[in-house]
Amino acid sequence: EPEVTQTPSHQVTQMGQEVILRCVPISNHLYFYWYRQILGQKVEFLVSFYNNEISEKSEIFDDQFSVERPDGSNFTLKIRSTKLEDSAMYFCASSEALAESYEQYFGPGTRLTVT
Amino acid sequence: AQKVTQAQTEISVVEKEDVTLDCVYETRDTTYYLFWYKQPPSGELVFLIRRNSFDEQNEISGRYSWNFQKSTSSFNFTITASQVVDSAVYFCALSEGVRDDKIIFGKGTRLHILP
Repeated sequence: EPEVTQTPSHQVTQMGQEVILRCVPISNHLYFYWYRQILGQKVEFLVSFYNNEISEKSEIFDDQFSVERPDGSNFTLKIRSTKLEDSAMYFCASSEALAESYEQYFGPGTRLTVT
Repeated sequence: AQKVTQAQTEISVVEKEDVTLDCVYETRDTTYYLFWYKQPPSGELVFLIRRNSFDEQNEISGRYSWNFQKSTSSFNFTITASQVVDSAVYFCALSEGVRDDKIIFGKGTRLHILP
């Protein structure tokens, strides 16, 4: 069964450093998403992406964040200058184009630890 | 605005007991999707069910069942004959009926099944 993959599974970085989280969505999917879950809290929407541009972003997704689909398979989330409060699990998700088969498939997550 | 409320923060039951996790949602849309996800200690999000707003039939899948009541805006989840492996955090979630719309999660209910 096709699945969303994410690398790395765990990333440790120092405050102020740039970090790139990588996702490989399911191959025929056209809608892509990033969500964040701070430890012990709920999963929060960050951004959605379609047709090479951001469809919607939350207030969490400030200028420190950016997303990109650099090639036909990867979907990346970049945090320009990490802060301690960016420590969280980051989930990538993707979905197909057809509304009747709408379902977001989640990757296993990347745990980001900012020290 | 969309909102999902899971009033039960934490529940503990003894193995083999039945347990119901409550979920109440708010949305302005007539078309929307409701979800339940399981998050085991390993951290990934495991999809359990998706229900669209036009389908109020209750669903049963093995020991799991879901009760969707539009009149009370509730989508409750029952585990029958609980097992220790059911211990996890369970999230109820909502998405409005737009193709690429974000999923809004509740805060989750942490379920402990005691042997």
